[in-house]
Amino acid sequence: AQKVTQAQTEISVVEKEDVTLDCVYETRDTTYYLFWYKQPPSGELVFLIRRNSFDEQNEISGRYSWNFQKSTSSFNFTITASQVVDSAVYFCALSNDRGSTLGRLYFGRGTQLTVWP
Amino acid sequence: ETGVTQTPRHLVMGMTNKKSLKCEQHLGHNAMYWYKQSAKKPLELMFVYSLEERVENNSVPSRFSPECPNSSHLFLHLHTLQPEDSALYLCASSQEPPLTRTDTQYFGPGTRLTVL
Repeated sequence: AQKVTQAQTEISVVEKEDVTLDCVYETRDTTYYLFWYKQPPSGELVFLIRRNSFDEQNEISGRYSWNFQKSTSSFNFTITASQVVDSAVYFCALSNDRGSTLGRLYFGRGTQLTVWP
Repeated sequence: ETGVTQTPRHLVMGMTNKKSLKCEQHLGHNAMYWYKQSAKKPLELMFVYSLEERVENNSVPSRFSPECPNSSHLFLHLHTLQPEDSALYLCASSQEPPLTRTDTQYFGPGTRLTVL
């Protein structure tokens, strides 16, 4: 069974602080994909990143970075020097690559990030 | 033109009304999806269409009726809804559908539905 856990329901930080959003996943498959999406108050889920299970290299994109660790089944997301515009709900998602659920996205419950000025 | 558009953005309807939600994707994708996002619940996949053919229906009540006339357009027809159907309805698209390969899904802005 596929499962994604985002234990942090809400996080509040002050602008310019660094913040890490946790994501822990469960899957029995050896080939799978992990995603992060951002949902601002407007409602649209904005795609941020996709990683496959064979690529554990960490990724950095501007102020965003992702730490993928298969040993702990985690795919954490860090925002450096947070800004008010980063305020949103962030979703982690998992998709496996075989069987009857191939390609389906399994979402965590999301983490509400609030960045105060 | 933004990738995935949805109209209307907000909809208030009575339990006896009939309305439709529209989704359009400008990405040249072959698969389209409807999701339901209720408060304090995970995103729920409702329907998946691949090249205008429904490939998945996740035990959704018959008061929700999807329609995919072509690979760029997806509708969700609503009739005799219940107050618990109030939610954000999100449309998404991907290059290929599930059961083919895992493709990134791109989402529209959603329709905020309120059923009175």
